[in-house]
Amino acid sequence: AQTVTQSQPEMSVQEAETVTLSCTYDTSESNYYLFWYKQPPSRQMILVIRQEAYKQQNATENRFSVNFQKAAKSFSLKISDSQLGDTAMYFCAFMSIQGAQKLVFGQGTRLTINP
Amino acid sequence: EADIYQTPRYLVIGTGKKITLECSQTMGHDKMYWYQQDPGMELHLIHYSYGVNSTEKGDLSSESTVSRIRTEHFPLTLESARPSHTSQYLCASSESGWGLESYEQYFGPGTRLTVT
Repeated sequence: AQTVTQSQPEMSVQEAETVTLSCTYDTSESNYYLFWYKQPPSRQMILVIRQEAYKQQNATENRFSVNFQKAAKSFSLKISDSQLGDTAMYFCAFMSIQGAQKLVFGQGTRLTINP
Repeated sequence: EADIYQTPRYLVIGTGKKITLECSQTMGHDKMYWYQQDPGMELHLIHYSYGVNSTEKGDLSSESTVSRIRTEHFPLTLESARPSHTSQYLCASSESGWGLESYEQYFGPGTRLTVT
């Protein structure tokens, strides 16, 4: 079974700084999808960024980018020029292409952006 | 925000009561999911559905049951609530088909359940 590990339960940075959230996963599959989801306080979970394992190029979405290291099974999220609205729980998630297309989530990282 | 709705948002109920948590989506998605989010914030899949009349158990064993009679509706029922069922329950949906875009799951706002 796949597992996802986020080793940073909490992080805190100042507004406008850059922050990197770590994620590692374990799988024996060669093709799969990886996601970062954001859950703001008392608001809905939304997708931040996604990555296909067979694509070597790292995904980027505006201020959000990933560092995907397939051999190391690492999928970190970098937030540049952090904003107060980035304060949220961030979840790394794995999805196998085979089978039921279920998301397996990490434990989450609580990120606080301070003014 | 995605068009997926959950009611009630908050529910406090006594032990032994039967409850149904509602989830509806207006996006026409075939696939729907229920996750349980514990106080430590970890999410675990408890049920999913590929479409009408399709339901499967997820990775985390749950005493709840689900039904999928209509595409847009995926309710979760607890026949006899217990304090161990206290948690947040998140509903999600995604498109059918293949490709990365179809794998994105859209989440509802959640139902926070407290069983006393």
